[in-house]
Amino acid sequence: SQTIHQWPATLVQPVGSPLSLECTVEGTSNPNLYWYRQAAGRGLQLLFYSVGIGQISSEVPQNLSASRPQDRQFILSSKKLLLSDSGFYLCAWGPGQGDSPLHFGNGTRLTVT
Amino acid sequence: RKEVEQDPGPFNVPEGATVAFNCTYSNSASQSFFWYRQDCRKEPKLLMSVYSSGNEDGRFTAQLNRASQYISLLIRDSKLSDSATYLCVVSEGGSYIPTFGRGTSLIVHP
Repeated sequence: SQTIHQWPATLVQPVGSPLSLECTVEGTSNPNLYWYRQAAGRGLQLLFYSVGIGQISSEVPQNLSASRPQDRQFILSSKKLLLSDSGFYLCAWGPGQGDSPLHFGNGTRLTVT
Repeated sequence: RKEVEQDPGPFNVPEGATVAFNCTYSNSASQSFFWYRQDCRKEPKLLMSVYSSGNEDGRFTAQLNRASQYISLLIRDSKLSDSATYLCVVSEGGSYIPTFGRGTSLIVHP
């Protein structure tokens, strides 16, 4: 069966520090991969998605970037965090084009201080 | 712009009650529909897919009305453990990007 791993679970970082969040998927090949952010009490905001190695689409211009160095690995990064980057970051994977649901990792709760 | 609208609630109901949520979508090309459940400070988890003919999973029933462009979720005999936020998700055929509603909060009290 397919599983998705995301780490760390929680992170407290000072403003201006770098960020790296990692997500890996097991049990499937060539998944679509997604990074979402959810601010407190808000809906899900799609940040990036990827349909293949090295293919990254950005949905919202911001202080973040994403990379997909391997088929089942998706990394979210920032060179310098802002206070507004605080939130709940969720990685998700999907097997196809919309006819199948997404499956989420456990999420990373990031607090920028 | 593709929109998925949900009543944010909260819906505050006693145990044993029946509660229904609606979700409207604006994109008539939408072909796939799902309900997710999100507990506080947790990730969303798939609750059920929504099929054209309607579908039932235990106490949960999902229905699709294409003509009026909405989907619904009915929860019978509510349990305390049903307290969560329920997210509606709509996807256009051939699209990689599903559209999430902002969720409806349900609180089931004793």
